[in-house]
Amino acid sequence: EVLLVESGGGLVQPGRSLRLSCAASGFVFDDYAMHWVRQIPGKGLEWVSGISWNNDNIGYADSVKGRFTISRDNTKNSLYLQMDSLRPEDTALYYCAKDESRGVPVGGLDVWGQGTTVTVSS
Amino acid sequence: QSALSQPPSASGSPGQSVTISCTGSINDVGGYRLVSWYQQDPGKAPKLMIHEVNKRPSGVPDRFSGSKSGSTASLTVSGLQAEDEAEYYCSSYAGNNKWLFGGGTKLTVL
Repeated sequence: EVLLVESGGGLVQPGRSLRLSCAASGFVFDDYAMHWVRQIPGKGLEWVSGISWNNDNIGYADSVKGRFTISRDNTKNSLYLQMDSLRPEDTALYYCAKDESRGVPVGGLDVWGQGTTVTVSS
Repeated sequence: QSALSQPPSASGSPGQSVTISCTGSINDVGGYRLVSWYQQDPGKAPKLMIHEVNKRPSGVPDRFSGSKSGSTASLTVSGLQAEDEAEYYCSSYAGNNKWLFGGGTKLTVL
């Protein structure tokens, strides 16, 4: 079974850091690009960051650029999101998602985790 | 980097067809054939319905189809069924390894 399981969310004060993890199983992790997408409860989806299978292509939404860092460890089938200088507006459910294309990302996210909640508040 | 524009709501009766639009610019929807559509039920993770403008993943009914004209992409649901009622989001590549989502459209089956 293809599975993505996020962890690492929680309550954090503004300005502090948090690191999200996503454990992948059931597919050849290092063949695919991966993404982080967030959603404020009751609101729409926002793409946060993406990374190609070989780390050659990394992108960030303007809203998080310079504060968030995406990375992956293909030996551990894991995706990460280091979130620094957190703001209240970063409060959301964070999803890890797999790109459906081997190699070059095409943005069709065909496997999603259930998400991990990040709350930034004093 | 603005979100893609979708109508907040759409509706149709069972058996009818409904089309949801997703408007961007030459820098995203109009510049690439990398538009996807997602269906999201309340409390659930999104589900991929269409990728690369008009490609349907395995298991998605052929009642769902996608198209693009200029900087506007469209999702058409034919033969509406009650189970199609959900929130629908479009997404597009926006260059420089960035992706955008639309604001979402609530589809109601009357």
